[in-house]
Amino acid sequence: TQLLEQSPQFLSIQEGENLTVYCNSSSVFSSLQWYRQEPGEGPVLLVTVVTGGEVKKLKRLTFQFGDARKDSSLHITAAQPGDTGLYLCAGASGAGSYQLTFGKGTKLSVIP
Amino acid sequence: NAGVMQNPRHLVRRRGQEARLRCSPMKGHSHVYWYRQLPEEGLKFMVYLQKENIIDESGMPKERFSAEFPKEGPSILRIQQVVRGDSAAYFCASSPTGPDTQYFGPGTRLTVL
Repeated sequence: TQLLEQSPQFLSIQEGENLTVYCNSSSVFSSLQWYRQEPGEGPVLLVTVVTGGEVKKLKRLTFQFGDARKDSSLHITAAQPGDTGLYLCAGASGAGSYQLTFGKGTKLSVIP
Repeated sequence: NAGVMQNPRHLVRRRGQEARLRCSPMKGHSHVYWYRQLPEEGLKFMVYLQKENIIDESGMPKERFSAEFPKEGPSILRIQQVVRGDSAAYFCASSPTGPDTQYFGPGTRLTVL
């Protein structure tokens, strides 16, 4: 069974600070996705990374896929209250599997 | 381009009743996935369907749960004889091709009294 561990589980920071959250596994994934979920809503796709070592930027968010495709990180620069939410990583294992394996998420609170 | 639609958004059932959850994928998407999210738990895969076919149902309980994606109309997740442990948020996702990029609907929150 593939597992994705996300850390930290909770993070509370002041507006303007930088932060990094992590997604780790002992398994290799063919791709990894990051989602943000607001209370009472479905996950919203932020990015998909496919290649080991890949870095993608989305405004103040920087996503990195580990060289071995077992881990990923999300870095937010100058966090804003609108960044508050649950950040989920999800991996696709490929090899004929169609499901995404989700981590439990990092709950981020950005305090004005 | 409308996103993934799910209805109802909230559903209350008494123990023993049936729950039917509907999902309309994004336009042009023929791959549908159902996930369940329990309180304080991550999303867990249940079933993957393409039009008229169940491709992978390895995450779905063998009893009381069924899913379909007919040629016409939405995908349906059916739970028969619901129990309190079925209370959860059920999310549908769709993709145009494989599992790498899935777009989620807003979910149906099922409460079993």
